[in-house]
Amino acid sequence: DAGITQSPRHKVTETGTPVTLRCHQTENHRYMYWYRQDPGHGLRLIHYSYGVKDTDKGEVSDGYSVSRSKTEDFLLTLESATSSQTSVYFCAISESYTQYFGPGTRLTVL
Amino acid sequence: AQSVSQHNHHVILSEAASLELGCNYSYGGTVNLFWYVQYPGQHLQLLLKYFSGDPLVKGIKGFEAEFIKSKFSFNLRKPSVQWSDTAEYFCAVKVPSNNAGNMLTFGGGTRLMVKP
Repeated sequence: DAGITQSPRHKVTETGTPVTLRCHQTENHRYMYWYRQDPGHGLRLIHYSYGVKDTDKGEVSDGYSVSRSKTEDFLLTLESATSSQTSVYFCAISESYTQYFGPGTRLTVL
Repeated sequence: AQSVSQHNHHVILSEAASLELGCNYSYGGTVNLFWYVQYPGQHLQLLLKYFSGDPLVKGIKGFEAEFIKSKFSFNLRKPSVQWSDTAEYFCAVKVPSNNAGNMLTFGGGTRLMVKP
């Protein structure tokens, strides 16, 4: 399973509150990714990282920020959560040009 | 930007029926192609991938896919489905030439239900 964990696995929060999701990997992979999964849209890339403190935007980055202060951790922050950010969030790593996914975090914004 | 289309959003089959799920992409150059499966309540798992070479790729659990460059397609097939194949299937494309981040573009997914 590529040694990826995500926390929390489920979270319910209220509109306007900040939320941070954590992705942790144990195998020293350089590339890490955050996606959101919504019905009919497949997975859409939010942000990705190509090293410590090196990040870039993906297709749907508005309203999200990321940080990577250590190789093993990639954090996704919703500065002020909105109902449109209710989704399932998946972290992924890249190994041999192939992405492998974590178990996901189900986030509900009320 | 490239796009990926999975035209069948929902497919219902009986056990032992043959499966073919369509995937078309829009980019005309070299691509890397992937199929992922997501069982209910679980994360995405890699079924198979194509980078180069034989366009007929075999993956896990009896799945295979054929890359047809002239049709910009990478359809997923299985000769005989089982109830345990009930899942959502995602096609994904990577364009290696302009993609320092190894980013993928996903199709919208196809939900397969296999009736026992």
